[in-house]
Amino acid sequence: GQNIDQPTEMTATEGAIVQINCTYQTSGFNGLFWYQQHAGEAPTFLSYNVLDGLEEKGRFSSFLSRSKGYSYLLLKELQMKDSASYLCAVKDSNYQLIWGAGTKLIIKP
Amino acid sequence: IAGITQAPTSQILAAGRRMTLRCTQDMRHNAMYWYRQDLGLGLRLIHYSNTAGTTGKGEVPDGYSVSRANTDDFPLTLASAVPSQTSVYFCASSESVAGGPDEQFFGPGTRLTVL
Repeated sequence: GQNIDQPTEMTATEGAIVQINCTYQTSGFNGLFWYQQHAGEAPTFLSYNVLDGLEEKGRFSSFLSRSKGYSYLLLKELQMKDSASYLCAVKDSNYQLIWGAGTKLIIKP
Repeated sequence: IAGITQAPTSQILAAGRRMTLRCTQDMRHNAMYWYRQDLGLGLRLIHYSNTAGTTGKGEVPDGYSVSRANTDDFPLTLASAVPSQTSVYFCASSESVAGGPDEQFFGPGTRLTVL
């Protein structure tokens, strides 16, 4: 079967750095996405990785290792507005997204 | 309209009733999707459409039907609602169904409660 694993919840301090991990087992791989979802709102796109390595976009970076079936999202200089759920999703061999359950990130002052 | 709209925003429905959730996009995207999101579970694909006139079944299609008569609209129908269909429903769209950084854009969601 297909499976995406992420921690359920993480807590971090404002101004700090946090890394959210995602491991996956899917039928085929056509890229990995990270989305942000604030409570009561729709998911919004953060990043996309298809090749191994780090993609940096401002305070957010995403890393991929295809051989390990592993990705992480790195958030730097945390702000209170970063309190949200972070969803990992893999595009499978049918080009459909398989979603993890999401990691709820709580930022404390 | 900018992006994707969904209606209604929320609905309480008696079991056994028929309900259609509406979704409209103005981005001329070819592909559209319906997901349900339940606490502790990832987004689960109900149905999708790669282009107008075609539809396909996702991971959890039972009890739901869709149609794609044109590019912009992708309604989701519950023929006879059951309590297990209580969920938040998201409609999404993307330019195409293919490899590459083709992100999905999401509507604001419909919160459905079936009693």
